[in-house]
Amino acid sequence: GENVEQHPSTLSVQEGDSAVIKCTYSDSASNYFPWYKQELGKRPQLIIDIRSNVGEKKDQRIAVTLNKTAKHFSLHITETQPEDSAVYFCAANSGGGADGLTFGKGTHLIIQP
Amino acid sequence: GAGVSQSPSNKVTEKGKDVELRCDPISGHTALYWYRQSLGQGLEFLIYFQGNSAPDKSGLPSDRFSAERTGGSVSTLTIQRTQQEDSAVYLCASSLRFQGAFFGQGTRLTVV
Repeated sequence: GENVEQHPSTLSVQEGDSAVIKCTYSDSASNYFPWYKQELGKRPQLIIDIRSNVGEKKDQRIAVTLNKTAKHFSLHITETQPEDSAVYFCAANSGGGADGLTFGKGTHLIIQP
Repeated sequence: GAGVSQSPSNKVTEKGKDVELRCDPISGHTALYWYRQSLGQGLEFLIYFQGNSAPDKSGLPSDRFSAERTGGSVSTLTIQRTQQEDSAVYLCASSLRFQGAFFGQGTRLTVV
């Protein structure tokens, strides 16, 4: 099955700086990679996703990059704001018939004022 | 409804009792997931349903845990003979195949 590793577990950045969270996956057949944001006490929310036929996708201050050869993908947040503070989870689907999502263990992003 | 609905929102049960947690997925979503999240921890995969395929039960922690999905829609997660370590938030999510999953608000289970 799929295995997703996520780093770092905690990331503290100054407000206005950029933040990068990285994930690796094991199943070369995986083709869908979503990212979720979970604020304290709330459910995870899908914020951006990327498919294996593209290398980068942007949505305002967030972007995701994918390197299929190296089997890693990253979330980039620019001009960080206090409301970006949350736990972020990456995920990858499994290839073949068992195509459910496998999540990374999460990154606690702290935006320092 | 517009989103994934879970019930109850909170459940307090005595150790040794059985509990049933319910999930109503988004209409038309073929995939349904159950996850468990302890305080400050990540998402622990429990079980995955996709259409009429056999469910992926590889995440169920013991034979006290089981889940059903009737008619390809509503799902029930059952925990028998609950233990204190079962206390957590149980999250359900649904999706179209090969699409992002949308989560319910979760059921907070407390075993006393």
